[in-house]
Amino acid sequence: GAGVSQSPSNKVTEKGKDVELRCDPISGHTALYWYRQSLGQGLEFLIYFQGNSAPDKSGLPSDRFSAERTGGSVSTLTIQRTQQEDSAVYLCASSSLSWAGELFFGEGSRLTVL
Amino acid sequence: AQKITQTQPGMFVQEKEAVTLDCTYDTSDPSYGLFWYKQPSSGEMIFLIYQGSYDQQNATEGRYSLNFQKARKSANLVISASQLGDSAMYFCAMRIRDSGYALNFGKGTSLLVTP
Repeated sequence: GAGVSQSPSNKVTEKGKDVELRCDPISGHTALYWYRQSLGQGLEFLIYFQGNSAPDKSGLPSDRFSAERTGGSVSTLTIQRTQQEDSAVYLCASSSLSWAGELFFGEGSRLTVL
Repeated sequence: AQKITQTQPGMFVQEKEAVTLDCTYDTSDPSYGLFWYKQPSSGEMIFLIYQGSYDQQNATEGRYSLNFQKARKSANLVISASQLGDSAMYFCAMRIRDSGYALNFGKGTSLLVTP
């Protein structure tokens, strides 16, 4: 597609439920990134992929968070047993593997945990 | 560990004036890249400008320029001739060679342009 696509755009769930957030990057972009942005805050790095592998998982907040990427394209961020503090906007971005390559962001998935 | 610091939580500027948004960084890696992004109230992240650590000249993109002072580890964004549409959050970010391609962001500065 023309840009990074994320779904769902909004998700309301109950505490304890699992959620899956999907990201479809720009075609041809090898690198894919997940960030979390709480209300009025900066971007918290979660994980990034080069192809299907994740060289850096250091930002995942807990073992309830996991992410995978298949076919070098679509990625899914899964949050198990959601907690209220997981409420945030989850932003996905993609880029080429150029050192100066900027990240192109999707519009985000807003997660609200009740 | 790398760190990006934006010390100005909020800034005001009058329309048509220039404004400087501060960004300092801390890394021991000699190879790094610095990025600035704009986030309007709509939430989209818009790339503005890039500066590489080995670039000899300060980057410029239209009304945006980056005041890169390597020895002081600062990469301030200068917006000339501010417009009402420049009101937004501005984030500084850094990519270092040893961390692959991940970008780490500062906490941002909120800019309000007044008529």
